Amino acid sequence: NAGVTQTPKFQVLKTGQSMTLQCAQDMNHNSMYWYRQDPGMGLRLIYYSASEGTTDKGEVPNGYNVSRLNKREFSLRLESAAPSQTSVYFCASSEWDSGWGNDEQYFGPGTRLTVT
Amino acid sequence: GDSVTQMEGPVTLSEEAFLTINCTYTATGYPSLFWYVQYPGEGLQLLLKATKADDKGSNKGFEATYRKETTSFHLEKGSVQVSDSAVYFCALSEDSGAGSYQLTFGKGTKLSVIP
Repeated sequence: NAGVTQTPKFQVLKTGQSMTLQCAQDMNHNSMYWYRQDPGMGLRLIYYSASEGTTDKGEVPNGYNVSRLNKREFSLRLESAAPSQTSVYFCASSEWDSGWGNDEQYFGPGTRLTVT
Repeated sequence: GDSVTQMEGPVTLSEEAFLTINCTYTATGYPSLFWYVQYPGEGLQLLLKATKADDKGSNKGFEATYRKETTSFHLEKGSVQVSDSAVYFCALSEDSGAGSYQLTFGKGTKLSVIP
């Protein structure tokens, strides 16, 4: 089991360029998430997908789009990168446990993005 | 909305010292509470969790008790090791609908343990 994988690990973009961050999980989880981590800010939710075919905005969705390609894959797209999007991006997945209603989220290793 | 407040870091301790990292929360319902740990250059890993009031989560010598009356979930360890050096995040989880639970994180506390 690889768990949650993310590509690329590092990326440098110029302002205005576009790119897609890829995320895949092999745990058959229904829910997937994208976060950004900035110094002193903790993790903030960008978008999430409760199940295949659905996506919803999180706390900081502006400047991003997402696609839930299938149950395994959830991609994050920056259409026109800005320096304010310099951050570390984490993908996560989880499965709702009907027994108690909450389950932990499993995180990928992250993508470090710099926009110049 | 929901929020999590944890003590500011960084925290520097000597090996075998006692660790407490304070965490308090505000939530509308009855959230589950988590501590996640992030080692340098890695993603977050679940350290421990508690799903209802008075539950105690524990793992690897770390403990935290869900205190509803004080809305707190403080992390403790009796004797820290150099290998515990990491960033620790307190988080809460509430139902966002359709079987998906959103995590709300604190800002993180960086712990450095020196030999």
